Amino acid sequence: ELKVEQNPLFLSMQEGKNYTIYCNYSTTSDRLYWYRQDPGKSLESLFVLLSNGAVKQEGRLMASLDTKARLSTLHITAAVHDLSATYFCAVLMNRDDKIIFGKGTRLHILP
Amino acid sequence: NAGVTQTPKFRILKIGQSMTLQCTQDMNHNYMYWYRQDPGMGLKLIYYSVGAGITDKGEVPNGYNVSRSTTEDFPLRLELAAPSQTSVYFCASTSGTKDYEQYFGPGTRLTVT
Repeated sequence: ELKVEQNPLFLSMQEGKNYTIYCNYSTTSDRLYWYRQDPGKSLESLFVLLSNGAVKQEGRLMASLDTKARLSTLHITAAVHDLSATYFCAVLMNRDDKIIFGKGTRLHILP
Repeated sequence: NAGVTQTPKFRILKIGQSMTLQCTQDMNHNYMYWYRQDPGMGLKLIYYSVGAGITDKGEVPNGYNVSRSTTEDFPLRLELAAPSQTSVYFCASTSGTKDYEQYFGPGTRLTVT
């Protein structure tokens, strides 16, 4: 069964700092998602990564995928308070098209 | 396009009651998913469908049923509601072939007392 592990689960950081959230998964996958969720809201799609070595950037967020290591990273550059949210990665199982989520990383950026 | 719509937005059920959560998408997506999110937790896959007439279990299917008679609709049925089913339920869809995005509905907040 596919396991998706995110770390850290909680992160409190200062504005202006850089940090990385990690997403490890246990079986072969061709597709990895990153989402943002604000309290009481639905999920907002950030990135879809489709191939080994894929890198996507939007503003202060950059996501990458290493399918051989079964690892994706979400890097935050010069964090600002508005990026405070919970970030989820999710992985498509090639075998049966399930999309399984990690537990999420609750990010709190201190002004 | 309305995207993925869910009804109702909120519902309170008594233990043992049944209800159906509705999910509709107007993007002609083949793949649809139901997740539940308990407070402060991640999303758990309940059921999913890869096309009309095809459904399969996810991580936490017990206590739920689904059907997929059309491409657009993917209702989730709760039989004999229990307090453990108190959660926020999200429906999502993806084409699986075009932009690969997974689009989420706004969610249904369900309380079972």
